[in-house]
Amino acid sequence: GAGVSQSPSNKVTEKGKDVELRCDPISGHTALYWYRQSLGQGLEFLIYFQGNSAPDKSGLPSDRFSAERTGGSVSTLTIQRTQQEDSAVYLCASSLAASGPNTGELFFGEGSRLTVL
Amino acid sequence: AQSVTQLGSHVSVSEGALVLLRCNYSSSVPPYLFWYVQYPNQGLQLLLKYTSAATLVKGINGFEAEFKKSETSFHLTKPSAHMSDAAEYFCAVSRGAQKLVFGQGTRLTINP
Repeated sequence: GAGVSQSPSNKVTEKGKDVELRCDPISGHTALYWYRQSLGQGLEFLIYFQGNSAPDKSGLPSDRFSAERTGGSVSTLTIQRTQQEDSAVYLCASSLAASGPNTGELFFGEGSRLTVL
Repeated sequence: AQSVTQLGSHVSVSEGALVLLRCNYSSSVPPYLFWYVQYPNQGLQLLLKYTSAATLVKGINGFEAEFKKSETSFHLTKPSAHMSDAAEYFCAVSRGAQKLVFGQGTRLTINP
């Protein structure tokens, strides 16, 4: 596709349920990033992938959060046993590579807004 | 750890006035620095980036930023604000390769 695509755009769930958020990066982009945007918290790094591997998982808030990427393309962020504090906009971004001249040039999707009741 | 601090969570200027959004970074070595913009209900979009090639960096939509090592600053400016500039602006620093670390953001409001 032309840009980074995220689904669903909006998700309302009940506390304790599991949710999956999907990210489809720009074709050819090898690096993929997940960020969380909350009111008053700014943009919080969660995890990044280079290809299918995740060299840096340091931002995942707890073991309820996991992410995978298959085929060097689509990524899924899974939140198990959701809590109200998980409510936020989850942003996915991709870039040509995680290093080199394009470092930091991320292309963002519009985000998935998660509301946990 | 590298970080950035944006001074002022909300800035309001009149249309046609100078826009100045402040960003200071903490780093032991000159980092890569970025400004991103987020329009309502959209993802972030790269405005400009500093990679040590030149201290004055020009970006899209008439924005520019100057890297000042002595002040550890990377402030964003635009000579004349336009209504369409209303958005949230994020300064970010790259820790070498890999992830960007973002500031808290500054919401820019333009008054007619």
